[in-house]
Amino acid sequence: GQNIDQPTEMTATEGAIVQINCTYQTSGFNGLFWYQQHAGEAPTFLSYNVLDGLEEKGRFSSFLSRSKGYSYLLLKELQMKDSASYLCAVRDSNYQLIWGAGTKLIIKP
Amino acid sequence: NAGVTQTPKFRVLKTGQSMTLLCAQDMNHEYMYWYRQDPGMGLRLIHYSVGEGTTAKGEVPDGYNVSRLKKQNFLLGLESAAPSQTSVYFCASSSGGDVQPQHFGDGTRLSIL
Repeated sequence: GQNIDQPTEMTATEGAIVQINCTYQTSGFNGLFWYQQHAGEAPTFLSYNVLDGLEEKGRFSSFLSRSKGYSYLLLKELQMKDSASYLCAVRDSNYQLIWGAGTKLIIKP
Repeated sequence: NAGVTQTPKFRVLKTGQSMTLLCAQDMNHEYMYWYRQDPGMGLRLIHYSVGEGTTAKGEVPDGYNVSRLKKQNFLLGLESAAPSQTSVYFCASSSGGDVQPQHFGDGTRLSIL
């Protein structure tokens, strides 16, 4: 079967750095996406990785290791508005997205 | 700057009733998707479409039907609603290219009593 694993919840302090991990087992791999979802709102696209390595976008970076079936999202200089759920999704061999259940990130002052 | 628009935003149904959820996108995207999101679970694909006039089943299609008569619209129907269909439904669209992400509507919160 196909499986995406993420921690259910994480807590971090405003101004700090947090790393959210995602491990996956899917039938094929055609890219990995990270989305942010605030409570009661739609998911919004954050990043995309298809090759191994680090992609940086401002305060957010995403890393991929295809051989390990592993990715992480790194959030720097945390702000209160970063309190949200972060969803990891892998595009499989059929080009369908398989979604993790999401990691709820709580930012404390 | 509408993007993906879903109607209605909220709905309460009784078991056995039918209804249609409407999704409209103004980005000229070829691909459209219907997902459901339940607590503690990832988004699950119900049905999708790769272009006007086409539809295909996703991971959890039972109890739902869809139609894509116009490129910009993707309708999700529940013929006979069941309590197990209580969920938040999201529509998404994409242009279909490798790097292109899916863009989501604001969701429809559906309760079946």
